[in-house]
Amino acid sequence: AQSVTQPDIHITVSEGASLELRCNYSYGATPYLFWYVQSPGQGLQLLLKYFSGDTLVQGIKGFEAEFKRSQSSFNLRKPSVHWSDAAEYFCAVGATGGGNKLTFGTGTQLKVEL
Amino acid sequence: DTAVSQTPKYLVTQMGNDKSIKCEQNLGHDTMYWYKQDSKKFLKIMFSYNNKELIINETVPNRFSPKSPDKAHLNLHINSLELGDSAVYFCASSQKAGGNRETQYFGPGTRLLVL
Repeated sequence: AQSVTQPDIHITVSEGASLELRCNYSYGATPYLFWYVQSPGQGLQLLLKYFSGDTLVQGIKGFEAEFKRSQSSFNLRKPSVHWSDAAEYFCAVGATGGGNKLTFGTGTQLKVEL
Repeated sequence: DTAVSQTPKYLVTQMGNDKSIKCEQNLGHDTMYWYKQDSKKFLKIMFSYNNKELIINETVPNRFSPKSPDKAHLNLHINSLELGDSAVYFCASSQKAGGNRETQYFGPGTRLLVL
């Protein structure tokens, strides 16, 4: 069975600083990986996804993530954080078999100090 | 236009009641899902339907019954509500069930509070 670990429950960064959110996955084959963002009181919005090919993927809002098979990681990065980036960030892995089941990590809450 | 919509947005009810949450998507997708997000923000899939057919049924109490009248709608009915059912319920949809790479689009959530 697949699983996702987001080691950081909370992260606080200053506006303009760089950001890296960690995600480690456990999966028996090539994973399909996703990062979603959830703003307070809102649903989840897809930031980016990795299926194959280039291990550095670009997403919306200036985010990128790098897939590292050797480390079973898919960390999310942003060079300069904006106050509006404060939200909950979820990493997810696509399941095997039918059904397109997503397994989510427990999320990282990002706070941005002005 | 909202791609995936849910009603109601908030639901406060007493233990033992029966309630329904509705979900509609206008994306033309074949597959729809229900997720539960608990108080610690943990998201877990409950059900998935592909073109009105149930394809994922996680370990969920049988008090929860999904119904898909057509592929654009997936409703969730909950019988005999319990305190532990308090959570945010998210509906999602994707193009098709096969191939785990399909992006899932989420609704805004329904915040259920059972008193």
